[in-house]
Amino acid sequence: DVKVTQSSRYLVKRTGEKVFLECVQDMDHENMFWYRQDPGLGLRLIYFSYDVKMKEKGDIPEGYSVSREKKERFSLILESASTNQTSMYLCASSLDGGASRPQHFGDGTRLSIL
Amino acid sequence: KNEVEQSPQNLTAQEGEFITINCSYSVGISALHWLQQHPGGGIVSLFMLSSGKKKHGRLIATINIQEKHSSLHITASHPRDSAVYICAVDGNFGNEKLTFGTGTRLTIIP
Repeated sequence: DVKVTQSSRYLVKRTGEKVFLECVQDMDHENMFWYRQDPGLGLRLIYFSYDVKMKEKGDIPEGYSVSREKKERFSLILESASTNQTSMYLCASSLDGGASRPQHFGDGTRLSIL
Repeated sequence: KNEVEQSPQNLTAQEGEFITINCSYSVGISALHWLQQHPGGGIVSLFMLSSGKKKHGRLIATINIQEKHSSLHITASHPRDSAVYICAVDGNFGNEKLTFGTGTRLTIIP
């Protein structure tokens, strides 16, 4: 079974802090994704990566950056956290192929910015 | 950009009832996904389909490509089926991005 592990289930940070959310997958998947989930809005894509050191902006990249130095690890960085970044963050991974592949999700990180 | 709409937003039913959750989308797709999210946050992929019908245990997913519509059915519903069910579509562009519906919160009462 694919395992996608997010480093924290709950995180509380202060406005202006630099925040790192880590995600690791153990199935050698090429694609990795970061989403945020807010009530009434569903999941929205922040960034995704289709290979090591490659990244593409999703629908809401402002205020975020990402890093993928190794295939199994995809980090989301909040450069200067703000209260409107309080949300549930979900990481996912999938095999490459161009065509549809199921995405495997982590358990999520509930981030609160005070 | 594809628009994905789910109905109903909330559904409460008695144990044993037959459940139907609907999903409509606006633009042609290569595949549609049904996902399940339990309280606590983790999301599990239930089905991925591009035509016809798929069945897994008590869950059945159907898709009508011409009508741009999919349904998720649960037979003999059980309290452990209580979760948020999310529909997502894969764009017809050869990339990996999904567009998600806002989910249907299902509560099954014993």
